[in-house]
Amino acid sequence: EAQVTQNPRYLITVTGKKLTVTCSQNMNHEYMSWYRQDPGLGLRQIYYSMNVEVTDKGDVPEGYKVSRKEKRNFPLILESPSPNQTSLYFCASSLNRVEVTEAFFGQGTRLTVV
Amino acid sequence: DAKTTQPNSMESNEEEPVHLPCNHSTISGTDYIHWYRQLPSQGPEYVIHGLTSNVNNRMASLAIAEDRKSSTLILHRATLRDAAVYYCILRGNTGKLIFGQGTTLQVKP
Repeated sequence: EAQVTQNPRYLITVTGKKLTVTCSQNMNHEYMSWYRQDPGLGLRQIYYSMNVEVTDKGDVPEGYKVSRKEKRNFPLILESPSPNQTSLYFCASSLNRVEVTEAFFGQGTRLTVV
Repeated sequence: DAKTTQPNSMESNEEEPVHLPCNHSTISGTDYIHWYRQLPSQGPEYVIHGLTSNVNNRMASLAIAEDRKSSTLILHRATLRDAAVYYCILRGNTGKLIFGQGTTLQVKP
């Protein structure tokens, strides 16, 4: 089954404690991205990757890092989380940047930073 | 980035057709029109996309105006499971999906 898997689904952490949210896809997609969803602001892109070792900033990259060492994985790293990063996070993948195909989204990670 | 405008909410009765409108007056010639929906507590789910011609798939139909400044997502027979937030999105050659506020669809039994 084609899917994007995020872990964990829920996470409560304290300010400043580094954390990683994992994302994995099984469709051999080149293009992967991270979004955050906040009430009244909708979904906004944080970072994206067009292929292995190719990443770039989205609209709201401050406070986040990503890496793409393998095609299937695209972890989101918060080096020093702050309360304003409390949000619902989604990982997405699609075939590539050029081909106009559907994007697959993970189930989401609800992060609370206290 | 081109933007889309959708009504905040709509209601429908079960088993009836639903027409969800979207305005995108600043669309560029290479932007594709995508529709996604988000059910409660789930990630967005692809519904349909098109460029110029009307499109049909097992989930819905997409009607695109001749000038491409607007489009309509058509659910032919709404079910309770279709209650969701529907997003009309323009996708350009960067691959990025720019989500607006979407339309919350309520389906009444």
